[in-house]
Amino acid sequence: AQKITQTQPGMFVQEKEAVTLDCTYDTSDPSYGLFWYKQPSSGEMIFLIYQGSYDQQNATEGRYSLNFQKARKSANLVISASQLGDSAMYFCAMRGPPWREYGNKLVFGAGTILRVKS
Amino acid sequence: GAGVSQSPSNKVTEKGKDVELRCDPISGHTALYWYRQSLGQGLEFLIYFQGNSAPDKSGLPSDRFSAERTGGSVSTLTIQRTQQEDSAVYLCASSNHGASNTEAFFGQGTRLTVV
Repeated sequence: AQKITQTQPGMFVQEKEAVTLDCTYDTSDPSYGLFWYKQPSSGEMIFLIYQGSYDQQNATEGRYSLNFQKARKSANLVISASQLGDSAMYFCAMRGPPWREYGNKLVFGAGTILRVKS
Repeated sequence: GAGVSQSPSNKVTEKGKDVELRCDPISGHTALYWYRQSLGQGLEFLIYFQGNSAPDKSGLPSDRFSAERTGGSVSTLTIQRTQQEDSAVYLCASSNHGASNTEAFFGQGTRLTVV
């Protein structure tokens, strides 16, 4: 079974600084996808970044990058140059291979609340 | 439509009543998910539909919960004999193909309050 663990219930970061949100995962499948979503106080779920298990390079999307360490089974999100608008709940999620029955169910971690201070 | 649509956006119901929550996925998306999110908490998986395959119902918390997806498109989540602990935001998401590299797109959710 797939499992996602986010050990930081809450984080603070000073505006314009970088912050790393931790995510570890557990799976026995060699093929899987890792996702990060942002949920501001409005409640919408916003997709941020994706990393495939076979991708050789870490994914980047603007100020977001994913520090993918496959051997450690970690997929930490790095937000550079934090902005006040980055204050939100952040979820790490995982999906397994489509050939496994229900393998590609999208499983979420508990989330990390990020607060950016001015 | 352009995105995942959920209705109603808010629902207040009396304890013991049945409720139906609707989800209209993005056209052509074969995968559809239902999640439940209590205040300040994470996303609790409820049920997953993928194409014509039998749904993964492993997350449904009790037999009061059921869901169906008609014609591979619209889905309805039904909660029978609602209890106060059912109060939460119910989120629906859809994705294309269900492959491991496709992100899911979420609706705005239905906020259910059982009084």
